[in-house]
Amino acid sequence: AQKVTQAQTEISVVEKEDVTLDCVYETRDTTYYLFWYKQPPSGELVFLIRRNSFDEQNEISGRYSWNFQKSTSSFNFTITASQVVDSAVYFCALSEVKGSQGNLIFGKGTKLSVKP
Amino acid sequence: DAMVIQNPRYQVTQFGKPVTLSCSQTLNHNVMYWYQQKSSQAPKLLFHYYDKDFNNEADTPDNFQSRRPNTSFCFLDIRSPGLGDAAMYLCATSRESTGGIMDQPQHFGDGTRLSIL
Repeated sequence: AQKVTQAQTEISVVEKEDVTLDCVYETRDTTYYLFWYKQPPSGELVFLIRRNSFDEQNEISGRYSWNFQKSTSSFNFTITASQVVDSAVYFCALSEVKGSQGNLIFGKGTKLSVKP
Repeated sequence: DAMVIQNPRYQVTQFGKPVTLSCSQTLNHNVMYWYQQKSSQAPKLLFHYYDKDFNNEADTPDNFQSRRPNTSFCFLDIRSPGLGDAAMYLCATSRESTGGIMDQPQHFGDGTRLSIL
């Protein structure tokens, strides 16, 4: 069975604080992909990052960084020096082998509120 | 800019009255998806098209149907909406996956928020 756990339902921080969003996954597949999506209040999901199971290199993009550790089945997302515009729901997702196109299993999301 | 466009942004319908939501894309992606997202929940995949090949999720109610007349457009038809169908409906597109594993990022529209009276 595939499963994605985002244990933090809601996080509230003050602007300029660093914040880490946790994601733990379960899979029996040896090849899989992990994603993070951002859903601001306007509603559309915005793709942030994709990582495949063979690439454990951490990634940094501006204030965003991702830490992928297969040993703990985690793919955590850190925002450095948070800003009000970072306020959104963040979803971690895991790909699964299914049919011809596969499928995405989303976690329940973490709602991040960044206060000025 | 290339994008995924959903119309309308908000839709109100009556209990039991058929409703159609539309989605168009300029990305020329051959895979299109429809998700249902209820308040404070994760998106739930209803079905997807790989070109004209329709793939229904096992737990998608028969009340939900879809049409894809061409690459650019995809429609979600709800034949007899019930109160439980009130939700945000998200359309997404992607390039085709390789090896049956979802390895491509999905590009989402703004969603249509459906209310049932």
